[in-house]
Amino acid sequence: DAGVIQSPRHEVTEMGQEVTLRCKPISGHNSLFWYRQTMMRGLELLIYFNNNVPIDDSGMPEDRFSAKMPNASFSTLKIQPSEPRDSAVYFCASSSGTSGTDTQYFGPGTRLTVL
Amino acid sequence: RKEVEQDPGPFNVPEGATVAFNCTYSNSASQSFFWYRQDCRKEPKLLMSVYSSGNEDGRFTAQLNRASQYISLLIRDSKLSDSATYLCVVKWAGNNRKLIWGLGTSLAVNP
Repeated sequence: DAGVIQSPRHEVTEMGQEVTLRCKPISGHNSLFWYRQTMMRGLELLIYFNNNVPIDDSGMPEDRFSAKMPNASFSTLKIQPSEPRDSAVYFCASSSGTSGTDTQYFGPGTRLTVL
Repeated sequence: RKEVEQDPGPFNVPEGATVAFNCTYSNSASQSFFWYRQDCRKEPKLLMSVYSSGNEDGRFTAQLNRASQYISLLIRDSKLSDSATYLCVVKWAGNNRKLIWGLGTSLAVNP
């Protein structure tokens, strides 16, 4: 079975450019999470969706970041304009069920470098 | 105080050793607890959930101490393949699915 799919796996861009990260959750999962991981701050939840609806976006750093989930099988995280401090690994994860304690399955991540 | 705190390590142990990690959490209303494992440059993967009565999965034992607000992970007979970062994860009570992650404890098992 396919796990969570993310693209691109690596992205190098220049400051000021728009960056779009993509995620395909595991089929049948109804929750999707976007995380950012850095050495200094660890894993930080940016936003999560339940049944395609954003539930908590309190972790989104600022207006430069936006996320969408147009359907159950696709989500995007966009950074516009990008800045060097956005350099990090961005993970997408999905889970199923309703208890809130369900296992989160992570994608391989997108390693973003903003020059 | 951080919401979830872990000793970053690194813990360097020889093969066959027993090693234990602790993790403290600040919110007494925390409801669920997990240990995830993350290999270098890979994604986190669930290692085990932590139950109130403690639970064991092969060489791994997890314990919860609600009074002192910490959880622990014990690894017995450590293997080279256990080398990874171990992330402590806490879920607060409530309907949202937000997990709070520790920064991780790095373990290196040496031959």
